[in-house]
Amino acid sequence: DTAVSQTPKYLVTQMGNDKSIKCEQNLGHDTMYWYKQDSKKFLKIMFSYNNKELIINETVPNRFSPKSPDKAHLNLHINSLELGDSAVYFCASSQDPGTPEYGYTFGSGTRLTVV
Amino acid sequence: SQKIEQNSEALNIQEGKTATLTCNYTNYSPAYLQWYRQDPGRGPVFLLLIRENEKEKRKERLKVTFDTTLKQSLFHITASQPADSATYLCALGHTGGFKTIFGAGTRLFVKA
Repeated sequence: DTAVSQTPKYLVTQMGNDKSIKCEQNLGHDTMYWYKQDSKKFLKIMFSYNNKELIINETVPNRFSPKSPDKAHLNLHINSLELGDSAVYFCASSQDPGTPEYGYTFGSGTRLTVV
Repeated sequence: SQKIEQNSEALNIQEGKTATLTCNYTNYSPAYLQWYRQDPGRGPVFLLLIRENEKEKRKERLKVTFDTTLKQSLFHITASQPADSATYLCALGHTGGFKTIFGAGTRLFVKA
C-alpha cells in the first residue's frame, strides 16, 4: 500500500494550459507539503498544510494554488503554465513537525514538462 | 540567505570502502539535520536525523556527525555496496517548524 501517492507521474502540456496534480497519504500524518525539484536537483518548498490549514506559502507565483479538502489530500493546481514551470513536483507528508525523527515521506514525483 | 552546500561532483568509490559525504550550511542555525536517499525517478527516502546537541549518530552501516561550530555534517557509509549507489540529500530544520530546507545532494557511485 503506497504511503504517499501522487498522480499523474508524467504530465506533458502546452504553455498556457491549466493542470492539476493530486496527492494522497494514508499515513495519518497531519502535515503535507509540495516541493519543486528543478534541473539542478534542489528541492524547494512551495507550500505546507497542517490539518488542512495553509502554514507555508513560499515565493510561488499565484498561478499555483494548493487545495486540501481533508488532511489526507493535498492537490496542486497550476494555471497558465509556463516553460519555467517544467520540473519534478513532489508531495510529502510528516507527523507533527515537533517530532522530526521520522522525517518526511515523499511521493514518487510528477514530472511536468511544458512545451 | 540560508544556503546548504553539498559536493555537486559525484563520488566514486570501490565496494567495501567507506563513503564520506559532506553537507555545509551558512546563515542558519538548525535544530536538526536529516539525511535522505534519492534514487533516479523516485522521491527522497528518510534515513536518519541528528539533533544540534548530538555529535554523532549511527544506524547500521550509516554514521552521521554534526558540528555546529563548523556548520557541517558528515555522512559515512561503511562497507559500501553497489546497492548504496544513489543521491544523498541533507536537510535542515527547526523543531516545530514546517519548513525543511534541502541541499541539492551528492551522487554516490559504488563500483563492484
